Amino acid sequence: QKEVEQNSGPLSVPEGAIASLNCTYSDRGSQSFFWYRQYSGKSPELIMFIYSNGDKEDGRFTAQLNKASQYVSLLIRDSQPSDSATYLCAVNRENTGNQFYFGTGTSLTVIP
Amino acid sequence: GAVVSQHPSWVICKSGTSVKIECRSLDFQATTMFWYRQFPKQSLMLMATSNEGSKATYEQGVEKDKFLINHASLTLSTLTVTSAHPEDSSFYICSAGEGLAGAFQETQYFGPGTRLLVL
Repeated sequence: QKEVEQNSGPLSVPEGAIASLNCTYSDRGSQSFFWYRQYSGKSPELIMFIYSNGDKEDGRFTAQLNKASQYVSLLIRDSQPSDSATYLCAVNRENTGNQFYFGTGTSLTVIP
Repeated sequence: GAVVSQHPSWVICKSGTSVKIECRSLDFQATTMFWYRQFPKQSLMLMATSNEGSKATYEQGVEKDKFLINHASLTLSTLTVTSAHPEDSSFYICSAGEGLAGAFQETQYFGPGTRLLVL
């Protein structure tokens, strides 16, 4: 079982819709969760992180964490064509020598 | 804040030569830096974890004698691809950990990457 799993997609949504990206992780000891966006040909950039159960909002982005279900999601409201990218979920476990575990990413296309 | 730079952004070299890539954290100190490789349309592959003042930890299957990593200061790590071959052509990306090293709050910030083409 992989540490972090994401649906590779592609996920297509119309402009203005809500895009929902999901991620599951295997280790209950995981404590911090990150979402990165990677445009084609570019390096990943951090969108947001979440540590506690519940929702965390930042502009059009909302991260949702459910540790009991080992599930973290990213919602993008009012999706724009510029949101078209691959979204990487990453999980960090304390005291594991800085181990970050990345999912393989979900490709999102926002259709104008 | 949390800016990471890489140099060079592009490098083309002949087979058999060595190439050095620099990764710098510009506005924070990073006890830990990470080196990744990414082939087209594939996911990130962690090559090694670089800790300031100590030897790097390499992932399984990554040749430490071929990919030399030096983390000489809290703001600089270098990756040297020795005796490069065409199969080493890839997108090399570094990241730096901001925050208390090893703590769950530590966050990775990525550099812009270096494209290596070995002829």
